[in-house]
Amino acid sequence: GAGVSQSPSNKVTEKGKDVELRCDPISGHTALYWYRQSLGQGLEFLIYFQGNSAPDKSGLPSDRFSAERTGGSVSTLTIQRTQQEDSAVYLCASSPTSGNWNEQFFGPGTRLTVL
Amino acid sequence: AQTVTQSQPEMSVQEAETVTLSCTYDTSESDYYLFWYKQPPSRQMILVIRQEAYKQQNATENRFSVNFQKAAKSFSLKISDSQLGDAAMYFCAYSGGTSYGKLTFGQGTILTVHP
Repeated sequence: GAGVSQSPSNKVTEKGKDVELRCDPISGHTALYWYRQSLGQGLEFLIYFQGNSAPDKSGLPSDRFSAERTGGSVSTLTIQRTQQEDSAVYLCASSPTSGNWNEQFFGPGTRLTVL
Repeated sequence: AQTVTQSQPEMSVQEAETVTLSCTYDTSESDYYLFWYKQPPSRQMILVIRQEAYKQQNATENRFSVNFQKAAKSFSLKISDSQLGDAAMYFCAYSGGTSYGKLTFGQGTILTVHP
């Protein structure tokens, strides 16, 4: 079956512009996670969704970052007024449930470059 | 807060040989899980192996096995009979307590396999 997909694969934007990153999880997976992978900070958690709710937003680095999930499926991560330090690969993962034991299935990521 | 440390930025191995990747972690939680994920150049993270903290027996998956030392908070990955396809970045990860399955990652180890 289809895995987790993310779009776009690559995004180049100018400093100060807004960007939207999309994640399509595996059908039926209720848990969805966003992570950021950068050279300086490694792999870090951003936000977790259970269904359409986000019980844990603790990893969002600033109020310029927001995310939503609709229909218990697609999620969008929005970065407003992008800065150069936002350049990174943004990874989305989904899991059947939110248990600590569960395997997370990752998408290929979106590479964001802020000029 | 939980931390995960991988002290080997890079490792190399000859094809068909055995290599061990190191990982240590710090936590005050009693119920947690540990994972090794592989990230090839395609960026798509893949679960290699996982371990439940309360199980003393080390997990194995074909050529992959772990050495889990709970008291020492150590979780190393052994790859036997290394293959060219094993070349990738390997991440050690932790999930535990009430974290809803969110992963805390180590810095990663780049594994090169020489023919």
